[in-house]
Amino acid sequence: EDKVVQSPLSLVVHEGDTVTLNCSYEVTNFRSLLWYKQEKKAPTFLFMLTSSGIEKKSGRLSSILDKKELSSILNITATQTGDSAIYLCAVSSRDDKIIFGKGTRLHILP
Amino acid sequence: ETGVTQSPTHLIKTRGQQVTLRCSSQSGHNTVSWYQQALGQGPQFIFQYYREEENGRGNFPPRFSGLQFPNYSSELNVNALELDDSALYLCASSLAPGSRAKYFGPGTRLTVT
Repeated sequence: EDKVVQSPLSLVVHEGDTVTLNCSYEVTNFRSLLWYKQEKKAPTFLFMLTSSGIEKKSGRLSSILDKKELSSILNITATQTGDSAIYLCAVSSRDDKIIFGKGTRLHILP
Repeated sequence: ETGVTQSPTHLIKTRGQQVTLRCSSQSGHNTVSWYQQALGQGPQFIFQYYREEENGRGNFPPRFSGLQFPNYSSELNVNALELDDSALYLCASSLAPGSRAKYFGPGTRLTVT
């Protein structure tokens, strides 16, 4: 059965710290891996990764995919209280299914 | 704001009843997908519609059904509601089925008592 596993499930750090969120997957017919940020209700798109080893970057956030290890990481540097959210990892398959992990709940202390 | 709207925002139903949730996709997007997110869980894929046809389905029973209209808006229908159907229901629209960015609506919170 296809699955996406995120770790840790929750994380509390101080403002200014750097965090690394992990995502591993077992999905047949892998097409892409996506990261979303969910603050209240609607997840907002962060990154889509299809190629191994190529880092995607947006401001203080960056992500990379390792297809050999079937995993991805999301890094957030110099965290701010506004980064507090649930970070969702999802994998889309070639038959147009998308499987989400349970998310990592990140809380940034001022 | 993504331009994807959902209605209603909250809904309370009784076990055994039927419910219809609605989603208006972002302008120009012809693909809509629906997700169920239980408390503390990640969203689970229910199904996807592309140009009014279902073109992908997750592990949900047939009592979960949907429609997509010519203007690409969509409905999710759930029959014979069960307590475990209580969840946040999210829809997302995208330019095409394989499109990377899925723009999510704010969701409908369904409570089944």
